[in-house]
Amino acid sequence: QVQLQESGPGLVKPSETLSLTCSVSSDSINNYYWSWIRQPPGRGLEWIGYSGSSNSNPSLRSRVTISLDTSKKQFSLKLKSVTAADTAVYYCARERRLPEGGLAFDIWGQGTMVTVSS
Amino acid sequence: DIQMTQSPSTLSASVGDRVTITCRASRTINTWLAWYQQKPGKAPKLLIYGASSLESGVPSRFSGSGSGTRFTLTISSLQPDDFATYYCQQYVGYSTFGQGTKVEIK
Repeated sequence: QVQLQESGPGLVKPSETLSLTCSVSSDSINNYYWSWIRQPPGRGLEWIGYSGSSNSNPSLRSRVTISLDTSKKQFSLKLKSVTAADTAVYYCARERRLPEGGLAFDIWGQGTMVTVSS
Repeated sequence: DIQMTQSPSTLSASVGDRVTITCRASRTINTWLAWYQQKPGKAPKLLIYGASSLESGVPSRFSGSGSGTRFTLTISSLQPDDFATYYCQQYVGYSTFGQGTKVEIK
């Protein structure tokens, strides 16, 4: 079973860049798309974006960079100019693209809490 | 973007009850809908994809239906392990999630 593990700082200062990495336990990292999803405390889920493309949530697009490093079996998230509103649990997840269209997130990391505060 | 609205926001039920959660999309999404279960402090878990396909390993008491703009998740006989929050998710253009439905003990 493929496993995902997020890593990165748990505290980021306002206006700085949030950087997270997701390590993938499988050699088939090239065969899938990989997403970042976040969840503010006590609130719902928000898709941030996925690897290998400029496609990301329009509300975050100007601040988001997602990249894939197949040699390290990792993908990463950079979110610049953060504010307190970016405080959330950040999840990495594997996308399952369905033959008939659509997609679902079938494997998730455990999540990592990131707090934006000075 | 497409808005997903779940109802109810909270549902109180007893073990053995039949439970139905509804998710409505602001415009048609065909059957491009998935359902997830989330327990406190844990990542969401995929239950249903393509509106009605059961994810491998998920108990058969879970079922999904619908197309277009109206979808339902049904738990045929609620079990103690099912008390959790449930989210729907659509994919047209980019993914958006419903606000969640918390299933609590009555």
